[in-house]
Amino acid sequence: KAGVTQTPRYLIKTRGQQVTLSCSPISGHRSVSWYQQTPGQGLQFLFEYFSETQRNKGNFPGRFSGRQFSNSRSEMNVSTLELGDSALYLCASSLALGRRPNTGELFFGEGSRLTVL
Amino acid sequence: AQSVTQLDSHVSVSEGTPVLLRCNYSSSYSPSLFWYVQHPNKGLQLLLKYTSAATLVKGINGFEAEFKKSETSFHLTKPSAHMSDAAEYFCVVSDRGSSNTGKLIFGQGTTLQVKP
Repeated sequence: KAGVTQTPRYLIKTRGQQVTLSCSPISGHRSVSWYQQTPGQGLQFLFEYFSETQRNKGNFPGRFSGRQFSNSRSEMNVSTLELGDSALYLCASSLALGRRPNTGELFFGEGSRLTVL
Repeated sequence: AQSVTQLDSHVSVSEGTPVLLRCNYSSSYSPSLFWYVQHPNKGLQLLLKYTSAATLVKGINGFEAEFKKSETSFHLTKPSAHMSDAAEYFCVVSDRGSSNTGKLIFGQGTTLQVKP
């Protein structure tokens, strides 16, 4: 079974540009979460999607947005990039959430490393 | 609100000696707790999880952790370190105390160095 796939793995942008990152979850997983990892702030939750709906949102400005498609693939977008947006962006998928408890395990991709110059 | 504190940012051990990575949590709910490991340039992998069943939890690669409610701790241990254990370790609590969410709250991480 293929793992969580994130593209692109590395990218370089300049301030003011926008970027779109893609995440393909494990087959059968309907929940996708996004995290930002930086040396200073550590791992911080961005948002979570389930069945194309945003279920949870972290404490990030509106420049950070995301969406989920009917095949559970997800994208996140960052507009008007700032130097501080340089980070490793991690996507994680898990089994169907909702009223049934899941295993509590998130399966992470290897991340997209964004550098903003 | 939930939070976790990893008491050591860096731990160094010799190969073959025990490993102890310390974690304290704060939660207003009965927590779900996890330990994840991240090897360089890799994503995170689940080592083990506690979800209110047995307080001693066994994970992969010989790791285990004990949930101690009275001490609000969830320390990670391994009897004998291996060179391949060198990595970053994260203690994690699930938001709202339920495993039924993709929102996790991470500790700041502990870098484990294993010396030959």
